[in-house]
Amino acid sequence: ETGVTQSPTHLIKTRGQQVTLRCSSQSGHNTVSWYQQALGQGPQFIFQYYREEENGRGNFPPRFSGLQFPNYSSELNVNALELDDSALYLCASSSTTLAGLREQYFGPGTRLTVT
Amino acid sequence: EDKVVQSPLSLVVHEGDTVTLNCSYEVTNFRSLLWYKQEKKAPTFLFMLTSSGIEKKSGRLSSILDKKELSSILNITATQTGDSAIYLCAVEAKGSKLTFGKGITLSVRP
Repeated sequence: ETGVTQSPTHLIKTRGQQVTLRCSSQSGHNTVSWYQQALGQGPQFIFQYYREEENGRGNFPPRFSGLQFPNYSSELNVNALELDDSALYLCASSSTTLAGLREQYFGPGTRLTVT
Repeated sequence: EDKVVQSPLSLVVHEGDTVTLNCSYEVTNFRSLLWYKQEKKAPTFLFMLTSSGIEKKSGRLSSILDKKELSSILNITATQTGDSAIYLCAVEAKGSKLTFGKGITLSVRP
């Protein structure tokens, strides 16, 4: 186990609704990254937070937003859900040092189904 | 746009076989290449390869980075049924973003 936890495990939402997914990073890690993994695909980078600031963003629309808290836990918010948002959402925590990013450790993911 | 391509997409072998999984990449400002194993949900970290560490080994698994050819291989010797999983290759570029390949589905039959 990596020490990264995510909640909830599964979620079913309706098109147009909003959802909040949560992630607690591994102790000592100051960086959290979020990924979307559609069925049969590799994870796609959504964004990354470092010390409560967004530190990079992938090709996702603004309705995907996030937060990182002082304890380095994080939330992913998705507004106006679409059917294509159905996927496994993975959170990864890591430690960013002067030498650069260390390996990212993934949580178990949240399976989101949009109907 | 950064790109990672893995091959083959899927592979079926018998216990005891040796397998080689391939990963090639086109990335601006390469920093490292990572291999993950994904069984049910969370990808689990296997190796990180950088310019200063182009070969890693752990038990039956080993990996090599070829910076000239912009590629990496993951070798698994004496495969076991527990090695059945999706193997993901990811490349870290400047800005700390990971770009993943689609993954290679490995099935090891008894």
